[in-house]
Amino acid sequence: DAKTTQPPSMDCAEGRAANLPCNHSTISGNEYVYWYRQIHSQGPQYIIHGLKNNETNEMASLIITEDRKSSTLILPHATLRDTAVYYCIVRVASGTYKYIFGTGTRLKVLA
Amino acid sequence: NAGVTQTPKFQVLKTGQSMTLQCAQDMNHEYMSWYRQDPGMGLRLIHYSVGAGITDQGEVPNGYNVSRSTTEDFPLRLLSAAPSQTSVYFCASRLWEASGYTFGSGTRLTVV
Repeated sequence: DAKTTQPPSMDCAEGRAANLPCNHSTISGNEYVYWYRQIHSQGPQYIIHGLKNNETNEMASLIITEDRKSSTLILPHATLRDTAVYYCIVRVASGTYKYIFGTGTRLKVLA
Repeated sequence: NAGVTQTPKFQVLKTGQSMTLQCAQDMNHEYMSWYRQDPGMGLRLIHYSVGAGITDQGEVPNGYNVSRSTTEDFPLRLLSAAPSQTSVYFCASRLWEASGYTFGSGTRLTVV
């Protein structure tokens, strides 16, 4: 199973870009990279996902390296409401359809 | 369109009691999962389903049963509650294999 590694915590100044890294060196060719976030005790919120190409939506951008062994989630203009735990997930292959969450990165946006 | 609805939001059980956590979605999603989250930890997969009549075990299935008789509902049964099952339980659903999950607001369960 592909495993992800994220820093346990990061700080970011309000209004600046938040760049959250994720290492997934054992990712397989047909596995997607997903990002979610969890604010306080709420249910996780889907942010974005990608396979090979960089992706952008109204919430964030996802940059995946050419060898697909790592990725970065970018929040272009972080606000205090972006303070949350961010999870990087690689979908387990072999047709098992499982989603395994790790412990994520706790992002704190500072005023 | 309510999304994913979990009931109850809070529950206190005595050791040995059984109960069912309800999860319903109105988005016609095929894929549904149950997770638990212990304080300060990430989410751990309990059981999941890829469609009505099809379920499988996740990381921590012991002590829990699931069934999927309809596309909309995916209840989680605690067979004999133990204090180690004190946790927040999240149900989630997604439309197809590669799409993102929509999560419910969670059920906070305490076993005393």
